Amino acid sequence: KQEVTQIPAALSVPEGENLVLNCSFTDSAIYNLQWFRQDPGKGLTSLLLIQSSQREQTSGRLNASLDKSSGRSTLYIAASQPGDSATYLCAVRLEIGTGTASKLTFGTGTRLQVTL
Amino acid sequence: NAGVTQTPKFQVLKTGQSMTLQCAQDMNHNSMYWYRQDPGMGLRLIYYSASEGTTDKGEVPNGYNVSRLNKREFSLRLESAAPSQTSVYFCASSEALRDGGEQFFGPGTRLTVL
Repeated sequence: KQEVTQIPAALSVPEGENLVLNCSFTDSAIYNLQWFRQDPGKGLTSLLLIQSSQREQTSGRLNASLDKSSGRSTLYIAASQPGDSATYLCAVRLEIGTGTASKLTFGTGTRLQVTL
Repeated sequence: NAGVTQTPKFQVLKTGQSMTLQCAQDMNHNSMYWYRQDPGMGLRLIYYSASEGTTDKGEVPNGYNVSRLNKREFSLRLESAAPSQTSVYFCASSEALRDGGEQFFGPGTRLTVL
């Protein structure tokens, strides 16, 4: 059974710092990995999607990397801002045969606070 | 383009009452999902639908039923609500795998069962 772990569970950094969030998974036979952001009381917003054949994806100040063989992904946030404060979730999708809906397995998230 | 929409946003039920959570997407996705989110447990899959006319159980299906009404709509029904079903419920839909397989979420329904 796929298990997804995110460390740390919570993180507080001062504004302007660069930071790295970690995600590890136990089954390396993944189809893709997706990073989400969740604000308190809100739904999940997709940030980055990395296919299993890719090593990284970038969007603005965010960069996500994937090392499939070691079962790890990182989300790098450059020049953090108070508006980045949220919970960040990673989720992996296993390889499944054609025609079936492949399901996401989620980590429990890292709660990030960026202070002034 | 509204994405994934859910109704209601909030609901309070008494034990034993029934209700249906509604979900719709306008992205022409085949696959749709229902999750619940509980503190310390992360998101867990309740049911999913690979395509119109098909539904399958996820990780925690007990106490729930679903209906894939058409390609756009996927509803979740609680027949006899229990306090253990107090949670936040999210609906999601995803692109076909050939298009990347990105999953998109609705804003959630916050359900309290007394």
